[in-house]
Amino acid sequence: NAGVTQTPKFQVLKTGQSMTLQCAQDMNHNSMYWYRQDPGMGLRLIYYSASEGTTDKGEVPNGYNVSRLNKREFSLRLESAAPSQTSVYFCASSARTGSQETQYFGPGTRLLVL
Amino acid sequence: SQQGEEDPQALSIQEGENATMNCSYKTSINNLQWYRQNSGRGLVHLILIRSNEREKHSGRLRVTLDTSKKSSSLLITASRAADTASYFCATGLGETSGSRLTFGEGTQLTVNP
Repeated sequence: NAGVTQTPKFQVLKTGQSMTLQCAQDMNHNSMYWYRQDPGMGLRLIYYSASEGTTDKGEVPNGYNVSRLNKREFSLRLESAAPSQTSVYFCASSARTGSQETQYFGPGTRLLVL
Repeated sequence: SQQGEEDPQALSIQEGENATMNCSYKTSINNLQWYRQNSGRGLVHLILIRSNEREKHSGRLRVTLDTSKKSSSLLITASRAADTASYFCATGLGETSGSRLTFGEGTQLTVNP
């Protein structure tokens, strides 16, 4: 049981390049999330998917797109990377227990945009 | 904007001492959660307290919630060097917002051996 996995672990891009961050979970969770974490800050929600087939914008969606490929996989795409997107990206998933949800996080992808 | 704000931003204590971190939030919540992040790693869930609860314990962790003051505290008793990490509070708004959480900026805890 690997939990939440993310690939790649580290990536360097040049401004204007595109890339897709991959996330997969093996816990049969319905909800999945993408966050970014900048130095000295908490996590900010980029996009989330409450269930397979649905996606919604979070707090900072500009410059990103997502795909909920199936129940297991939720990818984040940067179409034209900018230096402001240099950050650590975390994927998470959650299991619903009543109306409370705890989230399980992947190890993160460190992205540097030059 | 961040829903939760942690205080202090950084805390340095000796092994064996207790560590207290505080979190304030702005809107009504369904639940409040605390997470730990070791350097270079993802967040790990520690404890969840519902809006109708005032105190909860889990091992060496004690969480309190005061909805009238919109604040919570996390107490780690008998701290260990392995407790060195960043601690984040996260608020859940419940059914109307689905499963989303809003995270604070975190408290960096250093426990010196």
